Amino acid sequence: DIQMTQSPSSLSASVGDRVTITCRASQGISNYLAWYQQKPGKVPKLLIYAASTLQSGVPSRFSGSGSGTDFTLTISSLQPEDVATYYCQKYNSAPVTFGQGTKVEIK
Amino acid sequence: QVQLVQSGAEVKKPGASVKVSCKASGYTFTSYYMHWVRQAPGQGLEWMGIINPSGGSTSYAQKFQGRVTMTRDTSTSTVYMELSSLRSEDTAVYYCARDVCGCRETDAFDIWGQGTMVTVSS
Repeated sequence: DIQMTQSPSSLSASVGDRVTITCRASQGISNYLAWYQQKPGKVPKLLIYAASTLQSGVPSRFSGSGSGTDFTLTISSLQPEDVATYYCQKYNSAPVTFGQGTKVEIK
Repeated sequence: QVQLVQSGAEVKKPGASVKVSCKASGYTFTSYYMHWVRQAPGQGLEWMGIINPSGGSTSYAQKFQGRVTMTRDTSTSTVYMELSSLRSEDTAVYYCARDVCGCRETDAFDIWGQGTMVTVSS
């Protein structure tokens, strides 16, 4: 099975900072990559799919890039409401697998 | 609006089975694949498998093969996930999730159920 590895596992940044989270696949997955945001006690929310397509209603400060094995989620200006754990997901074929998550906090 | 409503929390003893339901509304039930994902307390997301509500075909993660069964009832727009031979490690929140476009078996998930907490304890 293809493994998804996220880095860092956690980060702390100031409001207004640019934040970058990376996700690496153990094999190429083209652009079949999604990003989710999960706030404590809440259901995961789709942010980005097809590596760079912003889901409807998601603020434009979120963006995604990459193809093949290396992907990036960027928050251009971190806001207090962005405190959450972020997961990448590969879905080129079964089994669908998720990264281990990146916890984002405000400094 | 499009939504998935799951059944309530369950407490089960080791060795028992649990069946969680997920009722869809607001869209054509048979047009989108449905997935099941679980999350143990304080842990990440784990994909369990997929069901095609149209024909009922399924595909399960190897880890759950032999213990999980996913079914659907098109008359009520409901999918079910049954997990047997429960052990303490199965304590988790179980989510159903709909794929984005219904155009491929595996896809991103845009609509999620509210989650069902299953606790396995003697």
